[in-house]
Amino acid sequence: QLQLQESGSGLVNPSQTLSLTCGVSGDSISSGTYSWAWIRQPPGKGLEWIGDIYHSGTTYNNPSLKSRVTISVDTSKNQFSLRLTSVTAADTAVYYCARGGPTGEFDPWGQGTLVAVSS
Amino acid sequence: QSALTQPASVSGSPGQSITISCTGTSSDIGSYNYVSWYQQHPGKAPKLLIYAVSDRPSGVPDRFSGSKSGNTASLSISGLQAEDEADYYCSSYTSQITQVFGSGTKVTVL
Repeated sequence: QLQLQESGSGLVNPSQTLSLTCGVSGDSISSGTYSWAWIRQPPGKGLEWIGDIYHSGTTYNNPSLKSRVTISVDTSKNQFSLRLTSVTAADTAVYYCARGGPTGEFDPWGQGTLVAVSS
Repeated sequence: QSALTQPASVSGSPGQSITISCTGTSSDIGSYNYVSWYQQHPGKAPKLLIYAVSDRPSGVPDRFSGSKSGNTASLSISGLQAEDEADYYCSSYTSQITQVFGSGTKVTVL
């Protein structure tokens, strides 16, 4: 059974860099034609797609965040990562990782991790 | 990119049927059959309900069904149950090779 688990700092200072990792278990991140995605949800608000990556390293990002987002994959560790630079309070959110399917569906999802941007 | 438009809330009594709409543009829903729907209970991660407009993953009850017409997709729930009270989100692939989510709909079971 495929499982995803987010990890990383839960508190980031304004203007600094948010870094999260998603560990994948139950299947190889290199198998199939899936993508690996980051999605976030500010408290009390809706979902926002951040971007995704294929095991080849090809990435696609949300244009509204594109210049601040870096998504990378480490196939040897079966994990992928998110870096978001120059964070502000507006970046405070629960961050989810998920597997992207061939028709764009996200399944399964990690449990999510809350990242607060505050000094 | 702008979020897809969903009604903020929809309600119904147990046993009734409800429908949630998700309106996009010709650059997303209107051009691709890549619409998904998710259910999210408070404090939990979203769960995939529908993919490719109308397909259900194994384990999802057939009370949940999806459809699309033009730039609008819809999620229908029949035989509404108390456990269906949750937030629901649609998503679609876009012509910019991105994904966009809907604004979300809170379903209340009266």
